[in-house]
Amino acid sequence: HLVQSGPEMKKPGASVTVSCKAFGYTFPHYDINWVRQAPGQGLEWMGWMNPNSGRTGSAQKFQGRLIMTRDASTNTAYMELTNLSPDDTAFYFCARDSRDTPFDPWGQGTLVTVSS
Amino acid sequence: DIQMTQSPSSISASVGDTVAITCRASQGINNWLSWFQQKPGKAPKSLIYETSRLQNGVPSRFSGNGSETDFTLIISSLQPEDFATYYCQQYSNYPLTFGGGTKVDIK
Repeated sequence: HLVQSGPEMKKPGASVTVSCKAFGYTFPHYDINWVRQAPGQGLEWMGWMNPNSGRTGSAQKFQGRLIMTRDASTNTAYMELTNLSPDDTAFYFCARDSRDTPFDPWGQGTLVTVSS
Repeated sequence: DIQMTQSPSSISASVGDTVAITCRASQGINNWLSWFQQKPGKAPKSLIYETSRLQNGVPSRFSGNGSETDFTLIISSLQPEDFATYYCQQYSNYPLTFGGGTKVDIK
């Protein structure tokens, strides 16, 4: 399963880092995807990372602001979003991904609130 | 980007009913379509991938079908724990995209 870090409150212009720690499987063998959900809204895919190679890809709207990294020694993936605005207020989820078991399982979610 | 259009946006149904949720892609996605269930305050849960393959542990009352641009999630004999919001997602092309969601609530 995947366990994410706790809620964050940030001011506009700041950055936030959310962690996603993997348990019970071989961390480098599965991609990690990041998805966000504004309160009361639908799901929005942000990007993916291959923990083995470190390769990443992201939705165009986040390019330049989204940084995905990993620490293989602790089986942890990180998502950093920079230059936050109130529109970035959302729950952020990580999800394990492969062709055989896409987007399964998900982390529990991390609420990021951006407010002055 | 591939647009995913779900319908209806909400359904009112009773325990024991059969409901169908449709998802239309703006272009062909082969069978690279997943369905997710989300309950309030919880993370989404994968139900079905590759149009019709059930994730481990998902009850057989959930089924999926379709191809290319038109897909359907069917829930047979609704159970109390099935009242939730359902999302489709295409993973044929980046950026991955989700449908807008269908809320299934109790009539």
